[in-house]
Amino acid sequence: GENVEQHPSTLSVQEGDSAVIKCTYSDSASNYFPWYKQELGKGPQLIIDIRSNVGEKKDQRIAVTLNKTAKHFSLHITETQPEDSAVYFCAAILRDFGNEKLTFGTGTRLTIIP
Amino acid sequence: EPEVTQTPSHQVTQMGQEVILRCVPISNHLYFYWYRQILGQKVEFLVSFYNNEISEKSEIFDDQFSVERPDGSNFTLKIRSTKLEDSAMYFCASTPGGVGNQPQHFGDGTRLSIL
Repeated sequence: GENVEQHPSTLSVQEGDSAVIKCTYSDSASNYFPWYKQELGKGPQLIIDIRSNVGEKKDQRIAVTLNKTAKHFSLHITETQPEDSAVYFCAAILRDFGNEKLTFGTGTRLTIIP
Repeated sequence: EPEVTQTPSHQVTQMGQEVILRCVPISNHLYFYWYRQILGQKVEFLVSFYNNEISEKSEIFDDQFSVERPDGSNFTLKIRSTKLEDSAMYFCASTPGGVGNQPQHFGDGTRLSIL
């Protein structure tokens, strides 16, 4: 089955600086890679996703890059703000018209220092 | 924006007792999921459900677990005889499925505490 590794486990960044979180996956058949943000007491919320036919995707301050050959994908947050503080999870999946199970990484606790 | 809702937010149960966790998926969604997150650990897949039957289940989802869609709106997870190690956050998720690759939407979870 799929295995997703994520690092770092904790990351502290000065407000306004950039944060990068990296993940690797094992199953070359995986074709969809979402990133979820989890705030205290809440469920995971999708913040950005990327499909295997795309190398990079950007949404305002958030971007995701994918290297299929190396089986790496990364989350980039620029101009970080205090509200970016949360736990971030990457995930990988083989999409099959909805019947799917997300395999999550181990999470990164991001702290933005004011 | 439509949400996945879960009840209760916190459930405290004696070991050995049965517990039912409830979820109301987004109304036009067809695929439903349960995930578990032990405190401080990653989110783990338990089971997927489509067309009134289980599509896939993980090793965690043993005979003590069952899922049901008792009506057109609810999706439940039952644990027959709870163990201490069942203490975790349980998240329900749903997706419409089909072409279009809509992401899974998660509820805010039920914190299950087994005493």
